[in-house]
Amino acid sequence: SQKIEQNSEALNIQEGKTATLTCNYTNYSPAYLQWYRQDPGRGPVFLLLIRENEKEKRKERLKVTFDTTLKQSLFHITASQPADSATYLCALDEGRDDKIIFGKGTRLHILP
Amino acid sequence: NAGVTQTPKFRVLKTGQSMTLLCAQDMNHEYMYWYRQDPGMGLRLIHYSVGEGTTAKGEVPDGYNVSRLKKQNFLLGLESAAPSQTSVYFCASSYSFRGQPQHFGDGTRLSIL
Repeated sequence: SQKIEQNSEALNIQEGKTATLTCNYTNYSPAYLQWYRQDPGRGPVFLLLIRENEKEKRKERLKVTFDTTLKQSLFHITASQPADSATYLCALDEGRDDKIIFGKGTRLHILP
Repeated sequence: NAGVTQTPKFRVLKTGQSMTLLCAQDMNHEYMYWYRQDPGMGLRLIHYSVGEGTTAKGEVPDGYNVSRLKKQNFLLGLESAAPSQTSVYFCASSYSFRGQPQHFGDGTRLSIL
């Protein structure tokens, strides 16, 4: 069956360190992979998109990698800040229909 | 520029009541989506629309109906609410589909007693 797996437990990272979140998938062949941020009581907010033929994408302190062989994407936040504390969702788009599939998200806590 | 606006933000219903959730977007997006988010389940697609006058079923469509009479609005209806429909409902829109981000509203928190 198809699965998207993100760290189910919260991730606690010391301020200033790099936070790394993982998104693993099985039985999907995504053409695109997206990362979103969700704060409590708010809707998800788009952060980054990476295509299957791209290995890495950067935006300011954010970096996403995409390894279609390992079926994994890593999401990095460098020089993390308490304001980066949120839940981060990955989402897969296989490019075959009009839907994307979301992972359940990982809660990130940046400790001051 | 408001983006995606959902109405209402909170609602409590009794089992068997009906209601309509409204989603409005001002970005001229073609695609619109309704999701529900439950603890431990993540975001699940209920219905979606690829343009004015179109609708399609998502992963969990049972018990819901939708309409897209105008491009900027996407309505989600519950004809006979059940406690299992207690959830947070999110609407999203996107310009097209391939490789496009979705823009979300801030949700409607619905409790069915």
